[in-house]
Formats: sequence, C-alpha cells, structure tokens
Amino acid sequence: GENVEQHPSTLSVQEGDSAVIKCTYSDSASNYFPWYKQELGKRPQLIIDIRSNVGEKKDQRIAVTLNKTAKHFSLHITETQPEDSAVYFCAAENSGGYQKVTFGIGTKLQVIP
Amino acid sequence: KAGVTQTPRYLIKTRGQQVTLSCSPISGHRSVSWYQQTPGQGLQFLFEYFSETQRNKGNFPGRFSGRQFSNSRSEMNVSTLELGDSALYLCASSLAGKETQYFGPGTRLLVL
Repeated sequence: GENVEQHPSTLSVQEGDSAVIKCTYSDSASNYFPWYKQELGKRPQLIIDIRSNVGEKKDQRIAVTLNKTAKHFSLHITETQPEDSAVYFCAAENSGGYQKVTFGIGTKLQVIP
Repeated sequence: KAGVTQTPRYLIKTRGQQVTLSCSPISGHRSVSWYQQTPGQGLQFLFEYFSETQRNKGNFPGRFSGRQFSNSRSEMNVSTLELGDSALYLCASSLAGKETQYFGPGTRLLVL
C-alpha cells in the first residue's frame, strides 16, 4: 500500500519568514496530493492540492510543488503569520480508485510573532 | 450548505463496551470516509462508503465496522473497546469519492 513520510514533525519560524514542509510517497500510481491544515481543536481543512499533471500550484502565500520522478512534494508558506500556526498534513491518493487517502504524520508549525 | 456533522462530539466508555458514532455528510455527497486520529499515528484511514457499500478498507481489526444508509448518513461501530481505541474519530464526505473531502468536527472517544 501507499506510505507517506512527512518532515519535519515540528517547525518554528519567525513571523514573516518562509516555511517548507516536505513529503515523500511510495506508490507511483498516486496522482492527487492534498494538503490539510488543522488548527488546535478543529477539523482538518483543505488548503491546497495538486494533481500529478502539474508541477507547481500557488494560492496567495501558499504554494505546492510536485516531483513525480522523485515521488516527493512540498508545501511552501511565505510571509508567515501567527494564524498560520497549526498542524499541516500532506496526503497522497490514487484517484483512479476510490477515496483511500494516505496521510503523512503531520507537521506542527509554530509562527513566532 | 451545511457542513459535515458528527455525533456525539465526546464520549467516554470503558474497556469491553461498544460504541456507535454517527456522521451526516454534506447534502448531495454520497461518499463518506472514516479516519482515526491519534497523536502517535496521525490520521489513519478506516473505511469508505458509497451508496451503502463499503468500497475501501484500511488496516484495522474487525472490531471496527461501519455502514451507510440510503440518505448517505454513516455510522461507525467499535466493539469490545480497548484503551488504544481512545482517539478522535473523523469522518469526511465528498461527492463521489474522487474529489475533495470535507471533514466533520470529529468525535473524541476516551476509553477507560
């Protein structure tokens, strides 16, 4: 089955700096890679996603890159703000099948004001 | 449009008991997936239902089961509870199981 590894497990950055979270996956059939943000005590919410036919996708201060050859993808947050503090999960899915998403272990991001 | 709802939000049980959790998907969504979230293991996939049929299953013992009703609402049952079953149980819905999932607030289960 699919295995998703996520690094780092914790990340502290100064407000205004950039944060990068990296994930690798094992199943070459995976073709959909969503990222979720989970604030303390709240539900995971999708913040950005990328499909395997795209190498990079941006949404304001958030971007995701995908390297299918190396089987890794990354989340980049620029100009971090205190409200970016949360746990971020990457995930991999083979959308050719039905919903069976494999999540990374999560990265706890702390943005220090 | 109302979001995904889960009941109850909190539950305390003792070892050996059983528990049933409920999930109501977003109106029009027919796929419901269940996840177990623990600090050590992260988010782990339990199973996915679509049109009252289980289509996918994760690596959990048979004590974990579920079902889906004709209105797409889903229930998850855990029998013979163990201490290690203490977790946040999240459900997520999507239109047909190949699109963006929307999570519910979760049910926090504590097994004593």
